[in-house]
Amino acid sequence: QQPVQSPQAVILREGEDAVINCSSSKALYSVHWYRQKHGEAPVFLMILLKGGEQKGHEKISASFNEKKQQSSLYLTASQLSYSGTYFCGTANAGNNRKLIWGLGTSLAVNP
Amino acid sequence: DVKVTQSSRYLVKRTGEKVFLECVQDMDHENMFWYRQDPGLGLRLIYFSYDVKMKEKGDIPEGYSVSREKKERFSLILESASTNQTSMYLCASTLRGEQYFGPGTRLTVT
Repeated sequence: QQPVQSPQAVILREGEDAVINCSSSKALYSVHWYRQKHGEAPVFLMILLKGGEQKGHEKISASFNEKKQQSSLYLTASQLSYSGTYFCGTANAGNNRKLIWGLGTSLAVNP
Repeated sequence: DVKVTQSSRYLVKRTGEKVFLECVQDMDHENMFWYRQDPGLGLRLIYFSYDVKMKEKGDIPEGYSVSREKKERFSLILESASTNQTSMYLCASTLRGEQYFGPGTRLTVT
């Protein structure tokens, strides 16, 4: 039931791109993306509702493939400030009040 | 500006003690959540509340209880703290899906 995130970790040089995936075996109502920096609380990035829409937040965008129950987070021209752990949270169609969280993807952006 | 506060950043308690973790939000949000976060296990939902005096168990409610007497305050109670409850506890509130997290309480039970 817990969504699966891949990769578990990625290391980038500043300016490089990355894709983080989040897959579920359950029918999804929505997918939420958060970033957590070391020692801090998670911070909201974006929500995607079923319908396959794509959203963007600065140079970070995401898509939601409803048929595959999968969402992807795209980080383009990465900056040092993008470093942290990225979590996806999924809400199922049966109970969309609560999120089930993936284990996170650790992203390190080096100069 | 959105604000979720938690009563303590760090807490050390002894085994068997009753522990209260308080969370307050100033955004008039209906939904509030308590999570614990452990290395390698991600965020796990303990309890959540979608209205005053309404609560629902999350994925790991054993050993915990909650109280929500007022809309802005959601309390997590460890009835008899045990060492396996040593963790980072995060509170969050949400109105339309976006969760706002408090700074967290790192609880150590010795």
